[in-house]
Amino acid sequence: EVQLVESGGGLIQPGGSLRLSCAASGFTFSSYAMSWVRQAPGKGLEWVSSISGSGGSSYYGDSVKGRLTISRDNSKNTLNLQMNSLRAEDTAVYYCAKSTTMTDAGSYMDVWGKGTTVTVSS
Amino acid sequence: DIVMTQSPDSLAVSLGERATINCKSSQSVLYSSNNKNYLAWYQQKPGQPPKLLIYWASTRESGVPDRFSGSGSGTDFTLTISSLQAEDVAVYYCQQYYNTHTFGQGTKLEIK
Repeated sequence: EVQLVESGGGLIQPGGSLRLSCAASGFTFSSYAMSWVRQAPGKGLEWVSSISGSGGSSYYGDSVKGRLTISRDNSKNTLNLQMNSLRAEDTAVYYCAKSTTMTDAGSYMDVWGKGTTVTVSS
Repeated sequence: DIVMTQSPDSLAVSLGERATINCKSSQSVLYSSNNKNYLAWYQQKPGQPPKLLIYWASTRESGVPDRFSGSGSGTDFTLTISSLQAEDVAVYYCQQYYNTHTFGQGTKLEIK
């Protein structure tokens, strides 16, 4: 069974840092691009970042460029999101999602994790 | 960036009736070289992650009931639920994957 399990969320003060992880199982992890999508409380879905299967290419939404960094460890089947200089507006549930291609180009998201909650507040 | 706009924002439909949700993109998501529309639909129930329903604008994901269908091309797309069931109460999102990813704002579907 294909499964994605996020972890690392929590309460963090503005300006702080947090590292999210997503453990993948049930598929050949390195063959697929992966993405992070977030959802602020009571709001819609916002694409955050994607990374190719090899890890050689990454893409970011405008609201997070320069502050969030996506990475992956294909030896551990793990996707990561390093979050720096956090703001109140980064408060959201962060979902890990599997793409359907290796490059993420032209790829929708066919499997989603249950999400991990990040709250940025003093 | 490609902006996705859904209509309506919310919708109430009687059980067994048809529900129609529209999605418009700010530029075409039809890739001419393969004639595919880079448009997906997702369903999100309260407290759950999104679930893929439709991709390539009209291809139903495995296991999705056939009362769900997608149509449209270029910049205008529609998700139709032919006969609304109680378990279809959810928020529905369209997404373009032509150029990175963008989601519509969502349409909340309720029972009338």
